Amino acid sequence: DQQVKQNSPSLSVQEGRISILNCDYTNSMFDYFLWYKKYPAEGPTFLISISSIKDKNEDGRFTVFLNKSAKHLSLHIVPSQPGDSAVYFCAASEYNFNKFYFGSGTKLNVKP
Amino acid sequence: DGGITQSPKYLFRKEGQNVTLSCEQNLNHDAMYWYRQDPGQGLRLIYYSQIVNDFQKGDIAEGYSVSREKKESFPLTVTSAQKNPTAFYLCASSARDRDNSPLHFGNGTRLTVT
Repeated sequence: DQQVKQNSPSLSVQEGRISILNCDYTNSMFDYFLWYKKYPAEGPTFLISISSIKDKNEDGRFTVFLNKSAKHLSLHIVPSQPGDSAVYFCAASEYNFNKFYFGSGTKLNVKP
Repeated sequence: DGGITQSPKYLFRKEGQNVTLSCEQNLNHDAMYWYRQDPGQGLRLIYYSQIVNDFQKGDIAEGYSVSREKKESFPLTVTSAQKNPTAFYLCASSARDRDNSPLHFGNGTRLTVT
Protein backbone atom coordinates (compact mmCIF):
# COMPACT_ATOMS: atom_id res chain seq x y z
CA ASP A 1 0.00 0.00 0.00
CA GLN A 2 1.33 3.44 -0.92
CA GLN A 3 2.40 5.43 2.10
CA VAL A 4 2.80 8.66 0.14
CA LYS A 5 0.09 9.70 -2.29
CA GLN A 6 -0.26 12.42 -4.87
CA ASN A 7 -3.84 12.25 -6.03
CA SER A 8 -3.59 14.77 -8.87
CA PRO A 9 -1.72 13.31 -11.84
CA SER A 10 -1.62 16.69 -13.58
CA LEU A 11 -2.08 20.41 -13.02
CA SER A 12 -2.24 23.27 -15.50
CA VAL A 13 -1.55 26.86 -14.41
CA GLN A 14 -1.15 30.18 -16.18
CA GLU A 15 2.25 31.85 -16.05
CA GLY A 16 2.51 34.27 -13.13
CA ARG A 17 -0.18 32.55 -11.08
CA ILE A 18 0.26 30.27 -8.07
CA SER A 19 0.79 26.52 -8.48
CA ILE A 20 -0.29 24.34 -5.56
CA LEU A 21 0.77 20.71 -5.53
CA ASN A 22 -0.61 18.41 -2.86
CA CYS A 23 0.62 15.29 -1.14
CA ASP A 24 -0.88 13.02 1.53
CA TYR A 25 0.81 10.40 3.66
CA THR A 26 -0.40 7.63 5.92
CA ASN A 27 2.58 6.85 8.15
CA SER A 28 2.45 9.04 11.27
CA MET A 29 6.09 8.21 11.95
CA PHE A 30 7.27 10.19 8.93
CA ASP A 31 9.10 13.26 10.09
CA TYR A 32 11.04 14.54 7.10
CA PHE A 33 9.38 15.57 3.85
CA LEU A 34 10.85 16.59 0.52
CA TRP A 35 9.81 17.83 -2.90
CA TYR A 36 11.61 16.93 -6.11
CA LYS A 37 11.27 18.19 -9.67
CA LYS A 38 11.86 15.86 -12.58
CA TYR A 39 12.24 16.36 -16.32
CA PRO A 40 11.82 13.43 -18.72
CA ALA A 41 14.81 11.08 -18.98
CA GLU A 42 16.59 12.87 -16.12
CA GLY A 43 17.00 12.20 -12.43
CA PRO A 44 14.85 14.11 -9.90
CA THR A 45 16.28 17.36 -8.58
CA PHE A 46 15.83 18.30 -4.95
CA LEU A 47 13.72 21.44 -4.45
CA ILE A 48 12.85 21.93 -0.81
CA SER A 49 12.33 19.98 2.38
CA ILE A 50 10.63 20.37 5.73
CA SER A 51 11.07 18.73 9.10
CA SER A 52 8.05 17.76 11.18
CA ILE A 53 8.97 20.32 13.82
CA LYS A 54 8.02 23.06 11.36
CA ASP A 55 4.82 23.80 9.48
CA LYS A 56 6.30 26.00 6.77
CA ASN A 57 9.56 26.37 4.89
CA GLU A 58 10.35 28.89 2.17
CA ASP A 59 13.03 29.06 -0.47
CA GLY A 60 12.57 31.78 -3.03
CA ARG A 61 9.46 31.09 -5.10
CA PHE A 62 8.92 27.73 -3.40
CA THR A 63 7.10 27.22 -0.09
CA VAL A 64 6.24 23.91 1.50
CA PHE A 65 3.46 23.67 4.08
CA LEU A 66 3.04 20.74 6.45
CA ASN A 67 -0.20 19.87 8.27
CA LYS A 68 0.71 16.98 10.55
CA SER A 69 -2.78 16.46 11.94
CA ALA A 70 -4.14 16.02 8.42
CA LYS A 71 -1.02 14.17 7.24
CA HIS A 72 -0.86 16.54 4.33
CA LEU A 73 1.79 18.67 2.71
CA SER A 74 1.70 21.07 -0.17
CA LEU A 75 4.15 22.88 -2.40
CA HIS A 76 3.35 26.43 -3.50
CA ILE A 77 5.16 27.97 -6.44
CA VAL A 78 4.69 31.73 -6.78
CA PRO A 79 4.87 33.11 -9.40
CA SER A 80 4.77 30.10 -11.71
CA GLN A 81 7.07 30.18 -14.75
CA PRO A 82 7.04 28.08 -17.93
CA GLY A 83 10.37 26.57 -16.86
CA ASP A 84 8.60 25.10 -13.84
CA SER A 85 6.77 22.68 -16.14
CA ALA A 86 7.89 19.23 -14.99
CA VAL A 87 6.78 16.31 -12.84
CA TYR A 88 6.89 17.00 -9.11
CA PHE A 89 7.35 14.22 -6.57
CA CYS A 90 6.85 14.43 -2.84
CA ALA A 91 8.80 12.10 -0.60
CA ALA A 92 8.91 11.24 3.09
CA SER A 93 11.11 9.39 5.52
CA GLU A 94 11.00 8.20 9.07
CA TYR A 95 13.61 9.18 11.65
CA ASN A 96 16.39 6.59 12.02
CA PHE A 97 15.27 4.85 8.86
CA ASN A 98 17.22 6.11 5.93
CA LYS A 99 14.50 5.07 3.50
CA PHE A 100 12.60 7.56 1.38
CA TYR A 101 9.08 6.87 0.09
CA PHE A 102 7.83 8.68 -2.99
CA GLY A 103 4.43 9.65 -4.33
CA SER A 104 3.42 8.92 -7.93
CA GLY A 105 4.06 12.48 -9.08
CA THR A 106 2.07 15.43 -10.42
CA LYS A 107 2.80 16.77 -13.88
CA LEU A 108 2.73 20.57 -13.81
CA ASN A 109 2.18 22.52 -17.01
CA VAL A 110 2.71 26.29 -16.78
CA LYS A 111 1.19 27.99 -19.80
CA PRO A 112 2.82 31.19 -21.15
CA ASP B 1 31.77 18.98 -9.63
CA GLY B 2 30.42 16.44 -7.18
CA GLY B 3 27.63 14.22 -8.30
CA ILE B 4 26.30 10.81 -9.19
CA THR B 5 27.14 9.15 -12.47
CA GLN B 6 25.01 6.41 -13.93
CA SER B 7 26.07 4.54 -17.01
CA PRO B 8 25.03 3.79 -19.61
CA LYS B 9 22.08 6.10 -20.23
CA TYR B 10 20.33 3.54 -22.46
CA LEU B 11 20.76 -0.22 -22.25
CA PHE B 12 19.22 -2.97 -24.35
CA ARG B 13 19.26 -6.65 -23.45
CA LYS B 14 17.69 -9.87 -24.56
CA GLU B 15 15.35 -11.66 -22.20
CA GLY B 16 17.16 -14.20 -20.06
CA GLN B 17 20.39 -12.20 -19.78
CA ASN B 18 21.67 -10.62 -16.59
CA VAL B 19 22.70 -6.97 -16.86
CA THR B 20 24.60 -4.69 -14.48
CA LEU B 21 23.89 -0.98 -14.12
CA SER B 22 26.70 1.22 -12.89
CA CYS B 23 26.42 3.95 -10.23
CA GLU B 24 29.34 6.01 -8.96
CA GLN B 25 29.27 9.00 -6.60
CA ASN B 26 31.95 11.45 -5.50
CA LEU B 27 29.86 13.21 -2.86
CA ASN B 28 31.43 11.19 -0.03
CA HIS B 29 27.97 10.00 0.94
CA ASP B 30 27.60 6.91 3.10
CA ALA B 31 24.14 5.87 1.92
CA MET B 32 23.26 4.81 -1.63
CA TYR B 33 19.99 3.69 -3.16
CA TRP B 34 18.45 2.15 -6.26
CA TYR B 35 14.96 3.14 -7.37
CA ARG B 36 12.86 2.08 -10.29
CA GLN B 37 10.36 4.28 -12.11
CA ASP B 38 7.59 2.94 -14.32
CA PRO B 39 5.22 5.10 -16.40
CA GLY B 40 2.60 6.80 -14.23
CA GLN B 41 4.15 5.48 -11.05
CA GLY B 42 6.35 6.92 -8.39
CA LEU B 43 9.82 5.80 -7.50
CA ARG B 44 9.97 2.39 -5.88
CA LEU B 45 12.92 1.36 -3.74
CA ILE B 46 14.85 -1.71 -4.90
CA TYR B 47 17.89 -1.83 -2.60
CA TYR B 48 19.74 0.54 -0.35
CA SER B 49 23.05 0.59 1.47
CA GLN B 50 23.91 2.70 4.48
CA ILE B 51 27.56 1.70 4.70
CA VAL B 52 30.20 -0.20 2.76
CA ASN B 53 29.76 -3.99 2.72
CA ASP B 54 26.18 -3.74 3.94
CA PHE B 55 22.88 -3.39 2.08
CA GLN B 56 19.17 -4.01 2.63
CA LYS B 57 16.27 -4.99 0.42
CA GLY B 58 13.78 -2.34 -0.48
CA ASP B 59 10.16 -2.88 -1.44
CA ILE B 60 10.76 -4.59 -4.80
CA ALA B 61 14.09 -6.43 -4.44
CA GLU B 62 13.05 -9.69 -6.11
CA GLY B 63 15.07 -10.35 -9.26
CA TYR B 64 17.77 -7.81 -8.38
CA SER B 65 21.13 -7.99 -6.64
CA VAL B 66 23.64 -5.37 -5.48
CA SER B 67 27.09 -5.06 -4.00
CA ARG B 68 28.77 -2.28 -1.99
CA GLU B 69 32.49 -3.00 -1.97
CA LYS B 70 33.49 0.65 -2.18
CA LYS B 71 31.90 3.77 -0.73
CA GLU B 72 31.76 5.37 -4.17
CA SER B 73 30.12 2.52 -6.05
CA PHE B 74 26.78 0.68 -5.83
CA PRO B 75 26.17 -1.44 -8.95
CA LEU B 76 22.78 -3.04 -9.55
CA THR B 77 22.39 -6.36 -11.37
CA VAL B 78 19.06 -7.06 -13.01
CA THR B 79 18.83 -10.83 -13.22
CA SER B 80 16.80 -13.03 -15.53
CA ALA B 81 14.51 -13.71 -12.56
CA GLN B 82 13.13 -10.15 -12.70
CA LYS B 83 9.79 -10.55 -14.47
CA ASN B 84 9.38 -6.99 -15.77
CA PRO B 85 12.86 -5.52 -16.06
CA THR B 86 12.10 -2.82 -18.63
CA ALA B 87 12.07 0.44 -16.66
CA PHE B 88 13.93 3.63 -15.83
CA TYR B 89 16.46 2.99 -13.05
CA LEU B 90 17.65 5.74 -10.74
CA CYS B 91 20.58 5.68 -8.36
CA ALA B 92 20.76 8.09 -5.44
CA SER B 93 22.91 8.88 -2.44
CA SER B 94 22.63 10.79 0.81
CA ALA B 95 24.69 11.62 3.86
CA ARG B 96 23.69 9.63 6.91
CA ASP B 97 22.86 12.88 8.68
CA ARG B 98 19.76 12.91 6.57
CA ASP B 99 18.18 16.04 8.02
CA ASN B 100 20.85 18.07 6.27
CA SER B 101 21.15 15.91 3.21
CA PRO B 102 18.29 14.95 0.96
CA LEU B 103 18.63 12.29 -1.70
CA HIS B 104 20.77 13.26 -4.66
CA PHE B 105 19.98 11.44 -7.88
CA GLY B 106 21.89 10.45 -10.97
CA ASN B 107 20.39 10.92 -14.41
CA GLY B 108 19.16 7.37 -14.69
CA THR B 109 19.56 4.38 -16.96
CA ARG B 110 16.71 3.31 -19.22
CA LEU B 111 16.80 -0.47 -19.56
CA THR B 112 14.86 -2.18 -22.32
CA VAL B 113 14.60 -5.97 -22.33
CA THR B 114 13.13 -7.70 -25.37
